[in-house]
Amino acid sequence: EVQLVESGGGLVQPGRSLRLSCAASGFSFDDYDMHWVRQAPGKGLEWVSGITWNSGSIGYADSVKGRFTISRDNAKNSLYLQMSSLRTEDTALYYCAKDFYFGSGSYRLRAADYWGRGTLVTVSS
Amino acid sequence: QSALTQPPSASGSPGQSVTISCTGTSSDVGGYKYVSWYQQHPGKAPKLMIYEVSKRPSGVPDRFSGSKSGNTASLTVSGLQAEDEADYYCSSYGISNGVFGGGTRLTVL
Repeated sequence: EVQLVESGGGLVQPGRSLRLSCAASGFSFDDYDMHWVRQAPGKGLEWVSGITWNSGSIGYADSVKGRFTISRDNAKNSLYLQMSSLRTEDTALYYCAKDFYFGSGSYRLRAADYWGRGTLVTVSS
Repeated sequence: QSALTQPPSASGSPGQSVTISCTGTSSDVGGYKYVSWYQQHPGKAPKLMIYEVSKRPSGVPDRFSGSKSGNTASLTVSGLQAEDEADYYCSSYGISNGVFGGGTRLTVL
């Protein structure tokens, strides 16, 4: 059974940093591109960042470019999102999502077939 | 890249059909076959319902169907059931990044 479990969320002050993690199991993690998608309270989904299976290609939404860094450790079956210079508008539930396509090699989201339950990030003073 | 445009709400009675639209541009919806649809119940993670415009992942009922014409994609739910009441989001591969629609709340009357 595919499982994605996010962790690392919490309450943080504006301007500070936070690192999210996503532990993956039940599939061959190093064969799939991965994504972070967020959802502000009561709002819609927003793609945040994507990374190819071999970390060879990475992309970010304009809203986080230069502040967030995505990475993965295939040996640990883990995906990460380092968030810095956090803003109040970054407050959201952050989902880790598995790309639908095997070894596609694209950081751009085409479809995501498994999602974690999310970890809540609240940016407030 | 701007979000795709969806109607904020849609509704139908049990057994009826409802269609939700998703309008983008030639740089996303109109330019690629990678349009997907997600269902999200309150407090739950999104679930993939349609990929590549009209394909259903294993386990998704055939009551759910997708199509595309030009820069507009559509999700049709036939034979509405109470459990179909949820938020639905479209998504498209884009020239620079993936993009989601604003979401449509489907109410089963």
